[in-house]
Amino acid sequence: AQRVTQPEKLLSVFKGAPVELKCNYSYSGSPELFWYVQYSRQRLQLLLRHISRESIKGFTADLNKGETSFHLKKPFAQEEDSAMYYCANRNNAGNMLTFGGGTRLMVKP
Amino acid sequence: DAGVTQSPTHLIKTRGQQVTLRCSPISGHKSVSWYQQVLGQGPQFIFQYYEKEERGRGNFPDRFSARQFPNYSSELNVNALLLGDSALYLCASSLEARGSGANVLTFGAGSRLTVL
Repeated sequence: AQRVTQPEKLLSVFKGAPVELKCNYSYSGSPELFWYVQYSRQRLQLLLRHISRESIKGFTADLNKGETSFHLKKPFAQEEDSAMYYCANRNNAGNMLTFGGGTRLMVKP
Repeated sequence: DAGVTQSPTHLIKTRGQQVTLRCSPISGHKSVSWYQQVLGQGPQFIFQYYEKEERGRGNFPDRFSARQFPNYSSELNVNALLLGDSALYLCASSLEARGSGANVLTFGAGSRLTVL
């Protein structure tokens, strides 16, 4: 069985500070990792995925298979980054996402 | 495109009752998935349907069932409701059944079910 762990329920930082939201996974197959974000009163939406190796809204995430991690990083947090962030792994059949418990990011002015 | 639409947005039921939740995928998307999100937790996979066939099932009891219609819309049914079924039920659609680089899930706003 696969598992995705986000150890921090809440992460509070000041505007302009660096941010790192941790995600660790456990999966016997080849992982396919995603970060989803949910802003206040909005629906869950895709932020980025590891296969694209993209930077979205200043966020990046690198898959580290040795450490089985996919941490989300941003060098300078903005107040509009405040949201719930969920890390997820897609199974090899491609039909199911396993989500972590989520981390609430609060960026204070 | 209105995106993934779900109805109803909120509903209240009592224990033992049955509920039906509805989902319309993004136009052109043939796959619909259902997730349950209990307060304070991440979404948990319930079902995936593609071309009216069940393609995946999560670890949920038989009280949970679903179906997909020819127009690719879907219904999730839950029988004999328990207090623990109180949650946000999310529907997500994608182009295809199997994952690939471009085939990502787009979520609806959810149906919030409260069981009293």
